[in-house]
Amino acid sequence: GENVEQHPSTLSVQEGDSAVIKCTYSDSASNYFPWYKQELGKRPQLIIDIRSNVGEKKDQRIAVTLNKTAKHFSLHITETQPEDSAVYFCAVPNFGNEKLTFGTGTRLTIIP
Amino acid sequence: SQTIHQWPATLVQPVGSPLSLECTVEGTSNPNLYWYRQAAGRGLQLLFYSVGIGQISSEVPQNLSASRPQDRQFILSSKKLLLSDSGFYLCAGKGQGMDIQYFGAGTRLSVL
Repeated sequence: GENVEQHPSTLSVQEGDSAVIKCTYSDSASNYFPWYKQELGKRPQLIIDIRSNVGEKKDQRIAVTLNKTAKHFSLHITETQPEDSAVYFCAVPNFGNEKLTFGTGTRLTIIP
Repeated sequence: SQTIHQWPATLVQPVGSPLSLECTVEGTSNPNLYWYRQAAGRGLQLLFYSVGIGQISSEVPQNLSASRPQDRQFILSSKKLLLSDSGFYLCAGKGQGMDIQYFGAGTRLSVL
């Protein structure tokens, strides 16, 4: 099955600085790469996703980059704010896109 | 977009008691449905998924079972709860042919 590795497991960033979280995957056939944000005690919510036909996608302060050759994709958050503090999960679908394999999560803390 | 309804929000059950958690989906037909469990401070573990009525795939052998009696209804059950069944249970759904999984609000189960 799909193997997804996510790094780092924890990340502390000064407010206003940038944060980068990286995921690597094993199945080169994967073609959809979402990122979820989970606040404490809440459900995971999709914040951005990318499909394999593009290398980068941006939505305001959030961007995702994809390197299909190296089989990794990264979440970039710029001008971080306290409300960005949460756990972030990457995910990769299996062949046929029936299910997602999630990374182990990154706990991001924004220091005011 | 689709909405995932999940209840109850919290549940405290004694060891050895039965369990039934229900999840219903609005806004899409013939969705893929998923049950995840999340231990405190940990990642998302896929327990079961279903691509149609009566079709259940089990990801992890354990004390739980799932059923899909109707297109938009997914039920997680146990005949006898164990202490290790405590956790945050999340139902998710994905529209047919779509990529994005949406999560319900979750049920926090404490087995005492």
